[in-house]
Amino acid sequence: EAGVTQSPTHLIKTRGQQATLRCSPISGHTSVYWYQQALGLGLQFLLWYDEGEERNRGNFPPRFSGRQFPNYSSELNVNALELEDSALYLCASGRTGNYGYTFGSGTRLTVV
Amino acid sequence: GESVGLHLPTLSVQEGDNSIINCAYSNSASDYFIWYKQESGKGPQFIIDIRSNMDKRQGQRVTVLLNKTVKHLSLQIAATQPGDSAVYFCAEAQAGTALIFGKGTTLSVSS
Repeated sequence: EAGVTQSPTHLIKTRGQQATLRCSPISGHTSVYWYQQALGLGLQFLLWYDEGEERNRGNFPPRFSGRQFPNYSSELNVNALELEDSALYLCASGRTGNYGYTFGSGTRLTVV
Repeated sequence: GESVGLHLPTLSVQEGDNSIINCAYSNSASDYFIWYKQESGKGPQFIIDIRSNMDKRQGQRVTVLLNKTVKHLSLQIAATQPGDSAVYFCAEAQAGTALIFGKGTTLSVSS
């Protein structure tokens, strides 16, 4: 069974630009979760999508947004990038109501 | 909002010792708790979970203990091995919310 795949692995952007990160969940998983892991700050919850809808949102500004497609894949968009957005962005998938998320290896976003 | 925290940022043990990693949580409404392990360069990996109606659950070499009275969660690893070296996170959730993670404890195992 293929795991959660994220692309790209690394992304370098300039401050003020936009970044788009992608995630493909495990087959059969309908929920996708996005987390930000900045150095020393653990995993901060960003967004939860299930069945194409946003179910929950963490304490992040509106320039962090995303969507989930009919095939349950998802993308995270970060607009007006700031230096402090540099982090590892992790995507996880799971079955609705099941908390045993499976994580991908993440996208390392560097804002310069 | 409320969050999950860990007592110690680092823990160093000898190979073969038992390890105990602690976690304090503040949301008394949480009904589900998980421990994840994250190795360098990888995403977090599920270790073991426990629901709030239980106080102990065992897996292979791991045991999770939940004390709801003092809002404390612990992960016990028996016969710790070098491959157990990683960052360990506890996470909590209540129905309808996503998992909220603590900051993590780095476990270093020396042989």
